[in-house]
Amino acid sequence: QVQLVQSGAEVKKPGASVKVSCKASGYTFSTDYLHWVRQAPGLGLEWMGMINPSDGGTSYAQNFHGRVTMTRDTSTSTVYMELSSLRSEDTAVYYCARDPSGGEEFYFDFWGQGTLVTVSS
Amino acid sequence: EIVMTQSPLALPVTPGEPASISCRSSQSLLHGNGNDYLDWYLQRPGQPPQLLIYLGSYRASGVPDRFSGSGSGTNFSLKISRVEAEDVGVYYCMQALQTPLTFGGGTKVEIK
Repeated sequence: QVQLVQSGAEVKKPGASVKVSCKASGYTFSTDYLHWVRQAPGLGLEWMGMINPSDGGTSYAQNFHGRVTMTRDTSTSTVYMELSSLRSEDTAVYYCARDPSGGEEFYFDFWGQGTLVTVSS
Repeated sequence: EIVMTQSPLALPVTPGEPASISCRSSQSLLHGNGNDYLDWYLQRPGQPPQLLIYLGSYRASGVPDRFSGSGSGTNFSLKISRVEAEDVGVYYCMQALQTPLTFGGGTKVEIK
């Protein structure tokens, strides 16, 4: 069965970076795009960007341009999302989500359990 | 970017009764292939979102047939034919036509 397992909660100071991992299993890793979506406490969902595990190609939301980097390790079927220059507004739960549409129709059929990132001095 | 607007913000429902949520987009989500690029998700308390509907009206695998999506262009709706207790949570629409992908603000469904 398809599973996306994310790394554990993080606490970071303002200005630091955080790297969250998402390990995929139960399907062919290279065939489906993986996206990152975040949710600030009590608020809605915000799309951050996506990665094509096949070739590592990425597309990021302009809101995070220059601060977010998504990478993948095909040997472990893991994708990573690194966010730099953290500020308090980046406190959120970060989700990875699988897109089975081939990066064309964009819908997310499986989600990771979420990783809480807290930014506090 | 495409702005998504949902209504109502909160929806008290009675089990066994129907319910409907509206979603509007700031520009048409109709793709040249004839599909509307609009998805619906349900986020139960303490859980990640789950996919209910994709491409406007296609139910995701395992989703009960009491859920249906309709609409086209800029106006969409999600209907629950008979609400059950497990349907409580926050419902989000998301436009999938262009990046950045954007979500509506959410509709909280709760039992009366």
